[in-house]
Amino acid sequence: RKEVEQDPGPFNVPEGATVAFNCTYSNSASQSFFWYRQDCRKEPKLLMSVYSSGNEDGRFTAQLNRASQYISLLIRDSKLSDSATYLCAASLMEYGNKLVFGAGTILRVKS
Amino acid sequence: DAGVIQSPRHEVTEMGQEVTLRCKPISGHNSLFWYRQTMMRGLELLIYFNNNVPIDDSGMPEDRFSAKMPNASFSTLKIQPSEPRDSAVYFCASRTGNTEAFFGQGTRLTVV
Repeated sequence: RKEVEQDPGPFNVPEGATVAFNCTYSNSASQSFFWYRQDCRKEPKLLMSVYSSGNEDGRFTAQLNRASQYISLLIRDSKLSDSATYLCAASLMEYGNKLVFGAGTILRVKS
Repeated sequence: DAGVIQSPRHEVTEMGQEVTLRCKPISGHNSLFWYRQTMMRGLELLIYFNNNVPIDDSGMPEDRFSAKMPNASFSTLKIQPSEPRDSAVYFCASRTGNTEAFFGQGTRLTVV
């Protein structure tokens, strides 16, 4: 079983839609979580960290559910510019801060 | 800060040749990661270092792959001999503690 798993998609949504991605992690000792955005032929870049209490940044909301071992990303009022691949990541301090990523979820926002 | 710097950006080589990828992490970061990205397998962690010491190389696919970090500002990933199935984008990333990781622009490797 992969340490971090995501639905690869693609998610095809119209502009203005709300879309949600989930990501599950296998190691309950995971301590830090992140969402990254990757544009075509570019490197992944941090979108937002995920805090235990949940956090919001504009149209983006991230949540953590430790009991069920998943994190989520909600994008409201989707823009064409949101089209990208979204990768979730989990960090394990007990493994020397090992940082593992899911394979990514493709989002396509269409006009 | 210039960010994580990788070289070369693109590499085309013939099967059987040795390939060396280079990475300069962000100054002050104490962890360095090497990842490989393909359409089929996504972003795979190959190896990572803390304070220049390799912590986990279980993601290295075969003995043909090796990585070193001789000092805090430089790391290499070597493939010898290279094979067509090694074709992928190789990313280096660095961070401090348990914070976010910053990626280099990647090396796009093609083995023909």
